[in-house]
Amino acid sequence: GQSLEQPSEVTAVEGAIVQINCTYQTSGFYGLSWYQQHDGGAPTFLSYNALDGLEETGRFSSFLSRSDSYGYLLLQELQMKDSASYFCAVREDGSGNTGKLIFGQGTTLQVKP
Amino acid sequence: DGGITQSPKYLFRKEGQNVTLSCEQNLNHDAMYWYRQDPGQGLRLIYYSQIVNDFQKGDIAEGYSVSREKKESFPLTVTSAQKNPTAFYLCASRSIAGGKNIQYFGAGTRLSVL
Repeated sequence: GQSLEQPSEVTAVEGAIVQINCTYQTSGFYGLSWYQQHDGGAPTFLSYNALDGLEETGRFSSFLSRSDSYGYLLLQELQMKDSASYFCAVREDGSGNTGKLIFGQGTTLQVKP
Repeated sequence: DGGITQSPKYLFRKEGQNVTLSCEQNLNHDAMYWYRQDPGQGLRLIYYSQIVNDFQKGDIAEGYSVSREKKESFPLTVTSAQKNPTAFYLCASRSIAGGKNIQYFGAGTRLSVL
């Protein structure tokens, strides 16, 4: 079967660093994405890894290890506005190029003062 | 401003009624998607369309129907056959600029049953 596993909840304090892990088991793999969703809002794209290694975008970084079927999102200098749900998503089709994503269940991050 | 517009924001369905959720995009994207999100859950794919006049079933298509007559529009109909329609519905379109597979989402429609 296809599955993505991520922790359901994470709590951290303002200014700290937090890491949200994602392990996946899919029939194909063509990239790992991360999306942020504030309560009741639209998911927004944060980062994308197609190859192994670290991608950095401001306070957010994302890492991928294809051999371990594992990735993580790293949030630095946490701010109160970072309180949201974070979803990892795998693109599993290559040649079909449908762009279909399989989403994890989401990790709720609560940032405390 | 370019983006995805979903309407209405809230929708109520009566027993045995079909309802249609609107999704319009002005991003000039070919591919569009419909997802269902239940409380505390991830997004599950209902239908997707890669090009005008073509669409494919996703993982949970039963009780739903779509059309893609224009590039900009991808409406979703929740039919009376969908026995548990209460959920948050999200529409998205895809960009492949820069080699990244990025989906852009609308603000969603929250559907409830009366």
